[in-house]
Amino acid sequence: DTEVTQTPKHLVMGMTNKKSLKCEQHMGHRAMYWYKQKAKKPPELMFVYSYEKLSINESVPSRFSPECPNSSLLNLHLHALQPEDSALYLCASSHVGQGVGGYTFGSGTRLTVV
Amino acid sequence: DQQVKQNSPSLSVQEGRISILNCDYTNSMFDYFLWYKKYPAEGPTFLISISSIKDKNEDGRFTVFLNKSAKHLSLHIVPSQPGDSAVYFCAASARNQGGKLIFGQGTELSVKP
Repeated sequence: DTEVTQTPKHLVMGMTNKKSLKCEQHMGHRAMYWYKQKAKKPPELMFVYSYEKLSINESVPSRFSPECPNSSLLNLHLHALQPEDSALYLCASSHVGQGVGGYTFGSGTRLTVV
Repeated sequence: DQQVKQNSPSLSVQEGRISILNCDYTNSMFDYFLWYKKYPAEGPTFLISISSIKDKNEDGRFTVFLNKSAKHLSLHIVPSQPGDSAVYFCAASARNQGGKLIFGQGTELSVKP
């Protein structure tokens, strides 16, 4: 298995909703990442988990709450989002440090906040 | 402050010719560089990488060149094919930054038949 699987592929949520994005990999990678990508912009790092511990938080607002319940799963809990949070949310994984083959990205969750 | 820059937002090339995508960086701590290809509504797909101890890495039609003194890298695709049409992102990381990838703005490549 050489994939990172993200669910759901599309999500529409209201500003008062609570939802979660899920990411799963079975490549034995112990580093997992959340990136956010707005249209016509490069992906921007949000969070890094290394050995299931949060190692980097790029000053992300608390309405985004990451969770890494085990080495294969990464969640992003969403609460009280704003319309400007609408974006493609990408999960990635790699070996800790730098993967020789680079990161493996999932296909992303297209989030729309209404 | 953009640490990784792709100054050409778009590039158009004829099928069969060479495509050259360029990338510049400012952070001398970067020691690992990657190129990703992205289709609309999909996640980036890893193409090729290069460590700072090398100046060239080749994989089939794709070759990445690194010029550390100029802080410049380029991706050569030869021969270019219509299926190569996509957005190409250059990315860089530093071993002491916990695996964080910094992306350039991307270059949209269009290969015309």
